Amino acid sequence: QKEVEQNSGPLSVPEGAIASLNCTYSDRGSQSFFWYRQYSGKSPELIMSIYSNGDKEDGRFTAQLNKASQYVSLLIRDSQPSDSATYLCAVTAESGNTPLVFGKGTRLSVIA
Amino acid sequence: NAGVTQTPKFRILKIGQSMTLQCTQDMNHNYMYWYRQDPGMGLKLIYYSVGAGITDKGEVPNGYNVSRSTTEDFPLRLELAAPSQTSVYFCASRPGGGDRGYTFGSGTRLTVV
Repeated sequence: QKEVEQNSGPLSVPEGAIASLNCTYSDRGSQSFFWYRQYSGKSPELIMSIYSNGDKEDGRFTAQLNKASQYVSLLIRDSQPSDSATYLCAVTAESGNTPLVFGKGTRLSVIA
Repeated sequence: NAGVTQTPKFRILKIGQSMTLQCTQDMNHNYMYWYRQDPGMGLKLIYYSVGAGITDKGEVPNGYNVSRSTTEDFPLRLELAAPSQTSVYFCASRPGGGDRGYTFGSGTRLTVV
C-alpha cells in the first residue's frame, strides 16, 4: 500500500523564522509531489508542486525533492502567524490517472 | 468561475438514512474525486472518475456509490448511513495531464447519529 508519512506536529516556530516541513513516501515510482495548506475548518489549497529533484522556489515557499531518499520537504521563510495551518503532502505515482495519496498533515503554529 | 461547488455544507443524518452529496465543477475538468477527512487524519479517497461514464473505487468505497453522467457533476451517494460515515467530505477536480494539483470544493460536514 502506498504511504505518505508526515510528522503530525504541532511544529511551533517564532514569527520571522524558517519553518521546515518534511514528508516521506513509500512508492519509489512516484513522480509528482504537492503541498497543500489547510486552515482549520477549510478545504485544502494548493501552494506548491514539484516534479524534479532539487529545489523549487515560489515567494516565501521552497519545495525540495530527493527521489533517491524518497523525501520531499517544504520550507517557509519569514514565517507569519497567517501561515499557521495544517500542511498536507500529496504524492501521485505517475502522470495520468493515478489519484493523489495524502499524508496526515503537519500542523504548523507560528508564534508572534 | 465558481470552481468546485459542494452542497450541502452541513447535514445531520440518522442511522439508516440515505443522502446524496452534490458536487459540480464549471472548469471542464475531466478528473473528479471524492475524499473523506476524519479529525487528525489525512484525506482518504472514496471514489474517482476520469471522465463522464467512468468511475473507479478508491481506498474506502464501502457504503458509498457514485455516478458521472456529465463532465460537470459527480454526486456521492450514501446508502444506509452509519456512525462511521461521520466525516468531512471533499470533492475535488483537475484538468487532464497528470502534473496538475486538485481544486477542492468547500466540503460537506456530515454527522450520523
